[in-house]
Amino acid sequence: DSGVTQTPKHLITATGQRVTLRCSPRSGDLSVYWYQQSLDQGLQFLIQYYNGEERAKGNILERFSAQQFPDLHSELNLSSLELGDSALYFCASSVARGVNTGELFFGEGSRLTVL
Amino acid sequence: EDQVTQSPEALRLQEGESSSLNCSYTVSGLRGLFWYRQDPGKGPEFLFTLYSAGEEKEKERLKATLTKKESFLHITAPKPEDSATYLCAVQRRLGTSGSRLTFGEGTQLTVNP
Repeated sequence: DSGVTQTPKHLITATGQRVTLRCSPRSGDLSVYWYQQSLDQGLQFLIQYYNGEERAKGNILERFSAQQFPDLHSELNLSSLELGDSALYFCASSVARGVNTGELFFGEGSRLTVL
Repeated sequence: EDQVTQSPEALRLQEGESSSLNCSYTVSGLRGLFWYRQDPGKGPEFLFTLYSAGEEKEKERLKATLTKKESFLHITAPKPEDSATYLCAVQRRLGTSGSRLTFGEGTQLTVNP
């Protein structure tokens, strides 16, 4: 158990809909990261927050947005869903003292299926 | 753009049969190279960080090494519980602007008893 909690574990929805994925980082970790893992593209970095502020951005679609709240939990919002958005979405957190550490602790992921 | 290529895509070993996984990378200013293990239906689990060419790290039956262009994950006398997908990732020197990792697509290792 990494200590990172993601909900929901599974989500099935229709094209055009909007969903919110939630992540609670390990206790004390200030950085939260979101990654997308699909069969044909592997793990792709979406976005990083550090203590409530956006720190780095990857190839995140404009239809996707994220935020980190004062209690450090984070939410990833996916809107106008398309079939190609079906994937595993992972949240990760890193030790509080390492803003730029690559040692990440991943949650078990949220599996999104868009029909 | 940072690139990470892992080979082979899949590897099947007999228990006790040692082998190596390869990770070739291209990155503008490497800050660190990372190895993760991912079990089916789970998130990746951190294994090692390597920072400079010549560095080596060991953990149980695993040993990671780093050169200027590639990294190897050596598996000595593997056991069935070592079966997993092994992911390599690189981190570029971005200063204080973030900590993005670029992952390879992984090597799926199966160790048969």
